[in-house]
Amino acid sequence: SQTIHQWPATLVQPVGSPLSLECTVEGTSNPNLYWYRQAAGRGLQLLFYSVGIGQISSEVPQNLSASRPQDRQFILSSKKLLLSDSGFYLCAWAAKGSPGEKLFFGSGTQLSVL
Amino acid sequence: GDSVTQMEGPVTLSEEAFLTINCTYTATGYPSLFWYVQYPGEGLQLLLKATKADDKGSNKGFEATYRKETTSFHLEKGSVQVSDSAVYFCALSQGGYNKLIFGAGTRLAVHP
Repeated sequence: SQTIHQWPATLVQPVGSPLSLECTVEGTSNPNLYWYRQAAGRGLQLLFYSVGIGQISSEVPQNLSASRPQDRQFILSSKKLLLSDSGFYLCAWAAKGSPGEKLFFGSGTQLSVL
Repeated sequence: GDSVTQMEGPVTLSEEAFLTINCTYTATGYPSLFWYVQYPGEGLQLLLKATKADDKGSNKGFEATYRKETTSFHLEKGSVQVSDSAVYFCALSQGGYNKLIFGAGTRLAVHP
């Protein structure tokens, strides 16, 4: 069966420090991968998605970047965190296929930038 | 652009009460519609979905009907349980790559 791992679960970082959040998927190949963020009191916002190794699409301009060095690995990074980067970050995957395929989510990372 | 609007929470109900969580959407074309649920301490998981107008998605006693004329996908359950306490997200997917656009989420608290 397929599983998705995301870590760490919580992270407290000072402003200006770097960030690296990692997500890995098991039990499937060539998935679409996604990074979402939920800021306090707001819905989930799609940040990045990837349809293959090295292929990253950004949905909103921001202080973050994403990379996909391996088929089932998706990394969210920042060189210098801002206060506004605080939020709940969720990684997800979906099988390639017909429209309406469901997404499978990781358990999320609560990031607090102080 | 496409968007999803959900009723604000929290929604507080007694066990066995009837639940409705309203969801409306704005989209061009014919999106697929979803309800996801996030239980305390867990990630989001799909609750139900509908891919075309008049489809009814159902799961675990929850139902939602894709209403194109009112651009709505309201979530209902006839008798809630304490274990239904969670945050519920309405979402739509349109176009390629199955990118989801979410509503803000509605927290449901069910008391015995």
